[in-house]
Amino acid sequence: TQLLEQSPQFLSIQEGENLTVYCNSSSVFSSLQWYRQEPGEGPVLLVTVVTGGEVKKLKRLTFQFGDARKDSSLHITAAQPGDTGLYLCAGGNTPLVFGKGTRLSVIA
Amino acid sequence: EAQVTQNPRYLITVTGKKLTVTCSQNMNHEYMSWYRQDPGLGLRQIYYSMNVEVTDKGDVPEGYKVSRKEKRNFPLILESPSPNQTSLYFCASSSKGHGYGYTFGSGTRLTVV
Repeated sequence: TQLLEQSPQFLSIQEGENLTVYCNSSSVFSSLQWYRQEPGEGPVLLVTVVTGGEVKKLKRLTFQFGDARKDSSLHITAAQPGDTGLYLCAGGNTPLVFGKGTRLSVIA
Repeated sequence: EAQVTQNPRYLITVTGKKLTVTCSQNMNHEYMSWYRQDPGLGLRQIYYSMNVEVTDKGDVPEGYKVSRKEKRNFPLILESPSPNQTSLYFCASSSKGHGYGYTFGSGTRLTVV
């Protein structure tokens, strides 16, 4: 079974700080997806990265896919309370495998 | 509005009583999938479907059945629910499959007593 390890598990920061969360595996993935999930709701797709080394930006969020396509990172610049949530990475092989997530809390 | 609709949102049932959770998408997506989410275990795939009449097992298919008779619908059937199937269930759909991301429904919280 392919595994995705996410770190840290929990992160609590002040508004305005920067942060990076990581998604690592020993397996190679055809793509990696990042989702954000809020309590009581389904995950919402933020981005899909497909090419090794690829970097994608979504406003204050920067996503990177590792060169070997085994890992990915999500960097948030100047975090805001609205960024609070559970961030999940998922490996785009069959079956789709999710990491257990990083729970982010941004305090105003 | 493009969406995946699951029903019901909440369900409490008794052990052994057959139930169906419905899932419908209005985006004409070919791929559909069911997940369960449990504390400490994360999201795990139960079944997925790449098209009408084509289904396959995910990581945790035991105790579940699915069918894909129409493109828009993908119901999850628990023939004889047990307490270890108490969980939060999500249906999801995708136009391009596992590699390109899924649109998720809002979830069904199932309790089996």
